[in-house]
Amino acid sequence: DVQMTQSPSNLAASPGESVSINCKASKSISKYLAWYQQKPGKANKLLIYSGSTLQSGTPSRFSGSGSGTDFTLTIRNLEPEDFGLYYCQQHNEYPPTFGAGTKLELK
Amino acid sequence: QVQLQQSGTELVKPASSVKISCKASGYTFTSNYMHWIRQQPGNGLEWIGWIYPGNGNTKYNQKFDGKATLTADKSSSTAYMQLSSLTSEDSAVYFCARGYPGTYWFAYWGQGTLVTVSS
Repeated sequence: DVQMTQSPSNLAASPGESVSINCKASKSISKYLAWYQQKPGKANKLLIYSGSTLQSGTPSRFSGSGSGTDFTLTIRNLEPEDFGLYYCQQHNEYPPTFGAGTKLELK
Repeated sequence: QVQLQQSGTELVKPASSVKISCKASGYTFTSNYMHWIRQQPGNGLEWIGWIYPGNGNTKYNQKFDGKATLTADKSSSTAYMQLSSLTSEDSAVYFCARGYPGTYWFAYWGQGTLVTVSS
């Protein structure tokens, strides 16, 4: 199975700042990476798929980049609702696998 | 709008089985894959498998072969996952999630069902 390594595990930032979350695959997954947001009491939300394609409804302050083994989720001009857990997931091959998550907290 | 409504919290005994449900609405149930994903306490997410309700075809992560059984009822647009021979390791939140044919990313998720295995 493809192992996904996310960094950092925890990240503290303030509203208005920009942050980046990294995801590294154990082998090339081409462009096929998705990003999700998880918040208590809410359904998990798909933000980006295929590396950089924004899911309908995802604000433009979110962007995804990368290919091969290294990917980045960037959130510009953080809003209060952006704080939570973020997971990457490769969707290049069976079985799909997830990173361990990054907790984005309010500084 | 697309909604996936999962059944409630389960407290079950070791060695028993449990069946959780996921009722879909807002889209054509039979034309989209339904995936199941596990999240153990403090851990990340693991993909369990999918079912295609249109014909009942399934595909499982090898890790969950023999542990999880996926079924679907077209008449009620409900997907089910049965977990058998439960141990404390199966204590987790289980999510259903809708996928698109030919893809392995998950656009819509249920709210999750907590299963606790304890004597």
